[in-house]
Amino acid sequence: LAKTTQPISMDSYEGQEVNITCSHNNIATNDYITWYQQFPSQGPRFIIQGYKTKVTNEVASLFIPADRKSSTLSLPRVSLSDTAVYYCLVGRNGNNNDMRFGAGTRLTVKP
Amino acid sequence: NAGVTQTPKFQVLKTGQSMTLQCAQDMNHEYMSWYRQDPGMGLRLIHYSVGAGITDQGEVPNGYNVSRSTTEDFPLRLLSAAPSQTSVYFCASSYGGRANGQFFGPGTRLTVL
Repeated sequence: LAKTTQPISMDSYEGQEVNITCSHNNIATNDYITWYQQFPSQGPRFIIQGYKTKVTNEVASLFIPADRKSSTLSLPRVSLSDTAVYYCLVGRNGNNNDMRFGAGTRLTVKP
Repeated sequence: NAGVTQTPKFQVLKTGQSMTLQCAQDMNHEYMSWYRQDPGMGLRLIHYSVGAGITDQGEVPNGYNVSRSTTEDFPLRLLSAAPSQTSVYFCASSYGGRANGQFFGPGTRLTVL
C-alpha cells in the first residue's frame, strides 16, 4: 500500500504560485500519481495525473523527480477560488483497494 | 452528459432503518465506487465494481451492500442504519479503473439518529 504524506494546510495570496508536495516513498513501479481538488460540500475533482517527469494541463503542473518518491503539484497564480483541499493518491489499476485518500492539504488563498 | 448523479442529496434516518442511495453515470464507465467522508477526513472506499455483475469490498464495507446490474447504475444499500454511518457519501466512476482519474457525484449527506 503506497502511503502518501502531505502538509495538513498551506496559506497563500492571490496571484502567487503554490506548490504542494506529496511524499510517497514506497511507490511501486507501475503506480501512477493522481491529484484531486475538493471544495466544501462537493465531490473531489480530478486535476492531474502523471507517472514521471513533468505533466502540465490548463489547471496545474505536476513535477515528479526521477526516483518518484515524491511529487509536487504546482498551481500558477492562484485565486480565491482555488481555496480547497488537495489530495495526492498513488496507485495502479488492478489493485483496487489501493489509492487511498489521505487527509489532504487544505489550501487557503487570501486576498 | 449529466456525469455522475446521486440521489437523494440529504437523508435523515432512524437507527435500524434501511435505505438505498442511488448513483448513476452516463459516461459508459466500467469502474464505479462508493466512498464515505467523515468531517475533516479524506474519503474511504466502501465498495467498488469493475463492471456489471462484479462487485468487491473496499476499506470499510461493513453495514453496506451493493449490486451492479447495469453499467449505468450502482446503488448502495444500508441494511440497518447506525449513528456511525452518519457521513457524506460520494459515488464515483472512471474508465478502466481508479487509477485513471475518477468523476465524482455531488454527494449524499446522511444523518442517522
